Amino acid sequence: AQSVTQPDIHITVSEGASLELRCNYSYGATPYLFWYVQSPGQGLQLLLKYFSGDTLVQGIKGFEAEFKRSQSSFNLRKPSVHWSDAAEYFCAVGPRGESTLTFGKGTMLLVSP
Amino acid sequence: DAGITQSPRYKITETGRQVTLMCHQTWSHSYMFWYRQDLGHGLRLIYYSAAADITDKGEVPDGYVVSRSKTENFPLTLESATRSQTSVYFCASSERGSSYEQYFGPGTRLTVT
Repeated sequence: AQSVTQPDIHITVSEGASLELRCNYSYGATPYLFWYVQSPGQGLQLLLKYFSGDTLVQGIKGFEAEFKRSQSSFNLRKPSVHWSDAAEYFCAVGPRGESTLTFGKGTMLLVSP
Repeated sequence: DAGITQSPRYKITETGRQVTLMCHQTWSHSYMFWYRQDLGHGLRLIYYSAAADITDKGEVPDGYVVSRSKTENFPLTLESATRSQTSVYFCASSERGSSYEQYFGPGTRLTVT
């Protein structure tokens, strides 16, 4: 069955430290891959997406993600976290040729001073 | 303002009542989606629509009805609300299917008592 896994429900990072959020998927072929962020009380906003080509993609707010086919992973990274990055982050996958996305259950990022 | 809006933002209703959540987008996007967000489950797709008068079930459609008579509107109706439908509901739209970014509304927090 197709699935998206975000293994970490919560992550706490010190301000200024680096961040990596994990995402693994299980699909027959490489799907389209997305990372979204949700600030408290708001809708989701797209951070970045991967369709094909360069496996390291840059997004907004200083985020990047790396697609690794061999590991079926699409991990989100940021070199230096700011307090304003505290939010919930969702990985999503969209099978090519289909109409919908499947979201992971999300990772809540807490930023400590 | 252009964008995607949802109304009401908050709603409290009683078990057994019918309630309709509204979604309106100004981009003329072909696709529209309804999700529910619950702790521990992330976002789950309820229904989606590829165009006016075309709708399809998502992962959790039971107890919900949708219609799409106009491209810009995609109302979601709970015909007889149950406590298990207490959730935050998000509407989203995209130009096309899974390869395109989905734009999310601000959400409707629904409580069924």
